[in-house]
Amino acid sequence: KAGVTQTPRYLIKTRGQQVTLSCSPISGHRSVSWYQQTPGQGLQFLFEYFSETQRNKGNFPGRFSGRQFSNSRSEMNVSTLELGDSALYLCASSLGENSNQPQHFGDGTRLSIL
Amino acid sequence: AQSVTQLGSHVSVSEGALVLLRCNYSSSVPPYLFWYVQYPNQGLQLLLKYTTGATLVKGINGFEAEFKKSETSFHLTKPSAHMSDAAEYFCAVNRPGSWGKLQFGAGTQVVVTP
Repeated sequence: KAGVTQTPRYLIKTRGQQVTLSCSPISGHRSVSWYQQTPGQGLQFLFEYFSETQRNKGNFPGRFSGRQFSNSRSEMNVSTLELGDSALYLCASSLGENSNQPQHFGDGTRLSIL
Repeated sequence: AQSVTQLGSHVSVSEGALVLLRCNYSSSVPPYLFWYVQYPNQGLQLLLKYTTGATLVKGINGFEAEFKKSETSFHLTKPSAHMSDAAEYFCAVNRPGSWGKLQFGAGTQVVVTP
């Protein structure tokens, strides 16, 4: 069974631009969660989508948004990029039917802002 | 509210020695607990999880963890360290109703010396 796939793996942008990251979950998984990982703040939850609906949201500004498609694939968008948005963005998928079901992570997209 | 504390941001162990990584949590309801490992330039890989039932759980690569409710702890151990265990380890907590919103500890970097 294929794992969680994130594209692209690396991305370089400049301040003020916008970016879209993609995540394909494990087949059969309906929940996709997104996390931001930085050396200073660690792993922080961005949001979760389940059956095309946002089910959970972390404490990030509105510049961070996401969506989920009918095939459970998810995209995350960041607008008006800031230097502080440089991070590893991880997505994770799970069956999503219960909070005790483990999340399975992709290898992440490393975003660098110049 | 819930939080996760990992004691020790860096741990150095000799090859063949015991690995002990500490994790304490606070949660107003019985939590679901997870340990993940992250190798350089990769995502997080699930080592083991505790949801209900037996408090001693075994995971992959020879790791195990014990849920101790009275101590609000979920420490990770491995009897004999291998060079391939060098990585960063994260303890994570979820709770009923939080769905895909994992809360992570700050992580512990493990160095294995020959």
